[in-house]
Amino acid sequence: NAGVTQTPKFRVLKTGQSMTLLCAQDMNHEYMYWYRQDPGMGLRLIHYSVGEGTTAKGEVPDGYNVSRLKKQNFLLGLESAAPSQTSVYFCASRADSTTGNTIYFGEGSWLTVV
Amino acid sequence: DAKTTQPPSMDCAEGRAANLPCNHSTISGNEYVYWYRQIHSQGPQYIIHGLKNNETNEMASLIITEDRKSSTLILPHATLRDTAVYYCIVRANTGGFKTIFGAGTRLFVKA
Repeated sequence: NAGVTQTPKFRVLKTGQSMTLLCAQDMNHEYMYWYRQDPGMGLRLIHYSVGEGTTAKGEVPDGYNVSRLKKQNFLLGLESAAPSQTSVYFCASRADSTTGNTIYFGEGSWLTVV
Repeated sequence: DAKTTQPPSMDCAEGRAANLPCNHSTISGNEYVYWYRQIHSQGPQYIIHGLKNNETNEMASLIITEDRKSSTLILPHATLRDTAVYYCIVRANTGGFKTIFGAGTRLFVKA
């Protein structure tokens, strides 16, 4: 049972480089999320999606772009990485239903920008 | 989604009950209270949720006040493995798109 899978798990980037984090879920969930978590801090919502082809901004969207071309995938892009984007990134998904609305998280992607 | 307020940290002795409070004074009638926890650097894990009645499962109990403006998560017999950050969020089961997590409460269970 895969659940929510994030790739890559670890990455080191140089300032100005670009990269894409991939999130895949196999639970047919409508909603998907990208969060970042800095050391000793809580989760902050970057972007989210309420369905295939839709995306919306969260709390800290600047410097990131997202796409949801397929229902099972939610991509997070950094066009020009900055040291301030060094963080752990978590993807999550949940169903849209009146019961059993648990959010499922991936294991995290550790990104360092030098 | 309504905002929540939690103490930044709490201590608990191993084997004792851990009672973690959460204030959500602006909660709407259709919003549920959810609790998650995050152990070390893992992704957060669902614990329990409720609307207005008290709830219990194999992990914990959730007590929601009658006015629904606050709740308490109870871990009845805390173990060292329960040391984690606990997040309280309120969200409608339908819609509730953003799902904002606050800073949570860092629970330290001590031997």
